[in-house]
Amino acid sequence: AQSVTQLDSHVSVSEGTPVLLRCNYSSSYSPSLFWYVQHPNKGLQLLLKYTSAATLVKGINGFEAEFKKSETSFHLTKPSAHMSDAAEYFCVVSGTGGGNKLTFGTGTQLKVEL
Amino acid sequence: GAVVSQHPSWVICKSGTSVKIECRSLDFQATTMFWYRQFPKQSLMLMATSNEGSKATYEQGVEKDKFLINHASLTLSTLTVTSAHPEDSSFYICSARSSSGAHYNEQFFGPGTRLTVL
Repeated sequence: AQSVTQLDSHVSVSEGTPVLLRCNYSSSYSPSLFWYVQHPNKGLQLLLKYTSAATLVKGINGFEAEFKKSETSFHLTKPSAHMSDAAEYFCVVSGTGGGNKLTFGTGTQLKVEL
Repeated sequence: GAVVSQHPSWVICKSGTSVKIECRSLDFQATTMFWYRQFPKQSLMLMATSNEGSKATYEQGVEKDKFLINHASLTLSTLTVTSAHPEDSSFYICSARSSSGAHYNEQFFGPGTRLTVL
């Protein structure tokens, strides 16, 4: 079984300040972990993914995430938020034992204020 | 590369009618596609796994007779919502898993289809 918990349903930051979106996972297998972004009424765009290589993963648009096995965490960060970052973010886990099925977290709504 | 399209992007239908949604992988082959539904301000829930040339695998609680899936080719899967009712109104998103090439085994998402049942 696998699951993800996104600890914050809403995060609000000021433009130019750091972003932290938290995610904890649970998996019976060596997991692959992803962060996706969804803008209103749009499909999902992959930001980054972890697949058992380097624990610090760099993605698009300045985002990165660090896989910490001891903490079962995969938090998403960005040094400086931009207005265009306002969207819904999903942490996703996929385990090889699960047939590559993706299990989505409940999402974090990021608001960026001037 | 690795583009997935969905058609239509939105549809409004009357209660009791059937609606077909197409999911196409435009520049890669996908033996496996997935169908998700997303209610407003909620996460994506996997409905079923669509396998080319064989029957789809449905998640627990999803009615296979209501949500008919056909995966007739390596680039096309269809989801038909039969006898649609207002509670079927949702955002339906497909994804396709690449079965070859540089993006082997990666999943790519379509832009979604907004279904509204009156």
